[in-house]
Amino acid sequence: TQLLEQSPQFLSIQEGENLTVYCNSSSVFSSLQWYRQEPGEGPVLLVTVVTGGEVKKLKRLTFQFGDARKDSSLHITAAQTGDTGLYLCAGSGGSNYKLTFGKGTLLTVNP
Amino acid sequence: SAVISQKPSRDICQRGTSLTIQCQVDSQVTMMFWYRQQPGQSLTLIATANQGSEATYESGFVIDKFPISRPNLTFSTLTVSNMSPEDSSIYLCSVEPAGNEQFFGPGTRLTVL
Repeated sequence: TQLLEQSPQFLSIQEGENLTVYCNSSSVFSSLQWYRQEPGEGPVLLVTVVTGGEVKKLKRLTFQFGDARKDSSLHITAAQTGDTGLYLCAGSGGSNYKLTFGKGTLLTVNP
Repeated sequence: SAVISQKPSRDICQRGTSLTIQCQVDSQVTMMFWYRQQPGQSLTLIATANQGSEATYESGFVIDKFPISRPNLTFSTLTVSNMSPEDSSIYLCSVEPAGNEQFFGPGTRLTVL
């Protein structure tokens, strides 16, 4: 069974601060996705990373896939209140089409 | 990507009753998934619904409790049967148009009294 561990589980910061969320596993994933979910909504796909060592940027968000494709990180620069939400990582392994979800990081950005 | 709608968006139901949740996609997709998200938790896959075949259920979920229909490539339903308060959750459908990227509907928030 593939497992994804996310940390931290909860994060409360002030607007303007930087933060990093981690997603770790002992398993290798063929691709890894990051989602953000706001209250009352479904998860929204932010990015997919597929190559070991890959770095993708989405405005103030930087996503990195580990060289061994077992871990990933999400870094937010100068957080804004609109970044508040549940951040979920999800991995897909080889021929298995199913996604394995981490438990999520609940981020609160205070004004 | 894909645009997905779900009905109802929320419901409050009595113990012992059943609720059918609808999921509509704006394009034809082969693979549709149903997830449960309990309060404060991550997503747990209930089943995979492919058109023209029986749904495939994950460990801990059975067809009698969560019957699924997939009559065509743009629509699916999930029924939560004989509900109990433990079934109170958000139920989400998702689709995988291509590759390993899944796109989610807005969810159905179910409360069972």
